[in-house]
Amino acid sequence: GAGVSQSPRYKVTKRGQDVTLRCDPISSHATLYWYQQALGQGPEFLTYFNYEAQPDKSGLPSDRFSAERPEGSISTLTIQRTEQRDSAMYRCASSLAPSGTGELFFGEGSRLTVL
Amino acid sequence: GIQVEQSPPDLILQEGANSTLRCNFSDSVNNLQWFHQNPWGQLINLFYIPSGTKQNGRLSATTVATERYSLLYISSSQTTDSGVYFCAVYVYKLSFGAGTTVTVRA
Repeated sequence: GAGVSQSPRYKVTKRGQDVTLRCDPISSHATLYWYQQALGQGPEFLTYFNYEAQPDKSGLPSDRFSAERPEGSISTLTIQRTEQRDSAMYRCASSLAPSGTGELFFGEGSRLTVL
Repeated sequence: GIQVEQSPPDLILQEGANSTLRCNFSDSVNNLQWFHQNPWGQLINLFYIPSGTKQNGRLSATTVATERYSLLYISSSQTTDSGVYFCAVYVYKLSFGAGTTVTVRA
């Protein structure tokens, strides 16, 4: 697509429920990133993909968080057994360069609220 | 990991004023980007500037990689410039500073 597309834009869920967020990167972009942004702070790295490979998931806060990109295009971020502290903006970005050294472009984000 | 420090944390401007935002980083980086987060939460690319100087309308940026800092200049500020400005540096991932919150008053 023309830009990075994320869905849903807003998600309200109850504590303990599972949530899946989706990211559709810019066409032909090799690298895809997930970031978490708490209110009043800068985005924090969660994980990234080079095509379908996931070289780094060091930023995932716990094993409740997982991400996949099975065909090297669309990616999903799943949070299991959500907790209130998971409430944040989740941002996806993509970059043309396979190593991710090129310019990153962000989607509009998915705002998650856990009650 | 790499440290990214932005200053000042907050900036209040009268419409038409000029300002300079600073970003210091603790190690050599492969690239640097400036973003504007508008009041609706969108993160908009301003500059991709690993080194040198770039200009885009009323905005310009300079990165001196050897001295590990970058500057963002806003000239003739407008109310639409309000928001949070982030500097982000790339080593093997993009690491963000805490941002500078800019408020432009009419």
